[in-house]
Amino acid sequence: DTEVTQTPKHLVMGMTNKKSLKCEQHMGHRAMYWYKQKAKKPPELMFVYSYEKLSINESVPSRFSPECPNSSLLNLHLHALQPEDSALYLCASSQKVSSSYEQYFGPGTRLTVT
Amino acid sequence: TQLLEQSPQFLSIQEGENLTVYCNSSSVFSSLQWYRQEPGEGPVLLVTVVTGGEVKKLKRLTFQFGDARKDSSLHITAAQPGDTGLYLCAGGQGAQKLVFGQGTRLTINP
Repeated sequence: DTEVTQTPKHLVMGMTNKKSLKCEQHMGHRAMYWYKQKAKKPPELMFVYSYEKLSINESVPSRFSPECPNSSLLNLHLHALQPEDSALYLCASSQKVSSSYEQYFGPGTRLTVT
Repeated sequence: TQLLEQSPQFLSIQEGENLTVYCNSSSVFSSLQWYRQEPGEGPVLLVTVVTGGEVKKLKRLTFQFGDARKDSSLHITAAQPGDTGLYLCAGGQGAQKLVFGQGTRLTINP
């Protein structure tokens, strides 16, 4: 099983709202990732968690706040977003923490900020 | 910063034709992955290559990693409409980071 699940599938939020994106994997992977993908562009890395600790933050604005409650779950808390933050948000996981080898992606959350 | 140049960016061909997509860099990568992405969905991992000169086949898809591990190609034989999608190559950049190519948007016309 190489499944990564994400909820919700679609999310529409106002600029003053607080919402959360959720990601789950049961492959025993110890590295988990958040990516942002704009239309017609490749995914852009936002955060990396290794063994439930934040290891990479790609200078993401503080209105995005990641959280890794346990080895299977990854959340992305959203607050005071801007319309330009509208995008497909992808979660991924990989077995090896020490390399980027074989990342498995979830289906994504389509976020629209109004 | 390592860069991956993917070509062509767009390709539209008829069913039954063959095609090749290229992924090139001036940098060496420890591994290279190919993904296919449907609109509104996440990328799906097709293959990982790690050894220079490695060739892997997945049904009608053939993937090759360059001898120097700086480039890769994806060849599709007898393309079918189900092959339509965005193809992304991604190279391993140190620990935990993937460098993505800009993608090839492939359309197979019946």
